[in-house]
Amino acid sequence: TQLLEQSPQFLSIQEGENLTVYCNSSSVFSSLQWYRQEPGEGPVLLVTVVTGGEVKKLKRLTFQFGDARKDSSLHITAAQPGDTGLYLCAGEAIGTASKLTFGTGTRLQVTL
Amino acid sequence: GAGVSQSPSNKVTEKGKDVELRCDPISGHTALYWYRQRLGQGLEFLIYFQGNSAPDKSGLPSDRFSAERTGESVSTLTIQRTQQEDSAVYLCASRLGRMNTEAFFGQGTRLTVV
Repeated sequence: TQLLEQSPQFLSIQEGENLTVYCNSSSVFSSLQWYRQEPGEGPVLLVTVVTGGEVKKLKRLTFQFGDARKDSSLHITAAQPGDTGLYLCAGEAIGTASKLTFGTGTRLQVTL
Repeated sequence: GAGVSQSPSNKVTEKGKDVELRCDPISGHTALYWYRQRLGQGLEFLIYFQGNSAPDKSGLPSDRFSAERTGESVSTLTIQRTQQEDSAVYLCASRLGRMNTEAFFGQGTRLTVV
C-alpha cells in the first residue's frame, strides 16, 4: 500500500490549459515536498510546504498543503511544453523520523 | 564533485549474478536514501541511513537486497542472485540530517537483468 497516492496518474494537455495534480494520504505529514523529474535525471525539488493550509506560488505553479496536513495539490496555470515531466510529491509522515516517502507520480505531457 | 554521484550509470547482468551499486553523497549530508523506480512509476523507498543510527531497512523487498554506508560517506547497495523483476533504475539521494530539507538525487543506475 502506497503511503502517498497521486492523481491523475497521467495527464496530456495542450499548451495554455490549466491543470491540478493531487497528493493524498491517510497519514499526517510534518511537511510535503513536490519534485519534478525529467527523463534520465533524478527528481529536483520544486517546493516544500510545512504549515497546514499553506499556499506557495512559484511563477505559474501554485502549491497547497491541506489543513490537516494529509494532502497537497499542485496547480499549473497556462501550461507550457517545458512543464512536461513526472511530478512527485514526497513527505515525512509523523513518527517516521525523517524517512522520506514518495508518491505514485503524475506524468504530465504538454503539447503545442 | 558538488552533487550526488552514482556508479555505474548502466548495468546489464545475467539472472542469478550479484551486483553492487555505488552512491557518493554530497559532503556533509548525514542522511542517505536508496529508491527503486520502475519505468514510468514513482519512487519506491528501499533504505535510509541517518548518521550513525541504525538504518531503516523497512523498504528492502527481500533478503537478496542489502546496503551499507561507511560513516557519512559512500554507500553501496548490493543485490544478490538478481532476478528479472529487479530491473529498474536505482536512485540515491542525500540531504542534511534535518527534517523538511531538500533531497538531492544522483542520476541513478539503470539495472537490466537478462
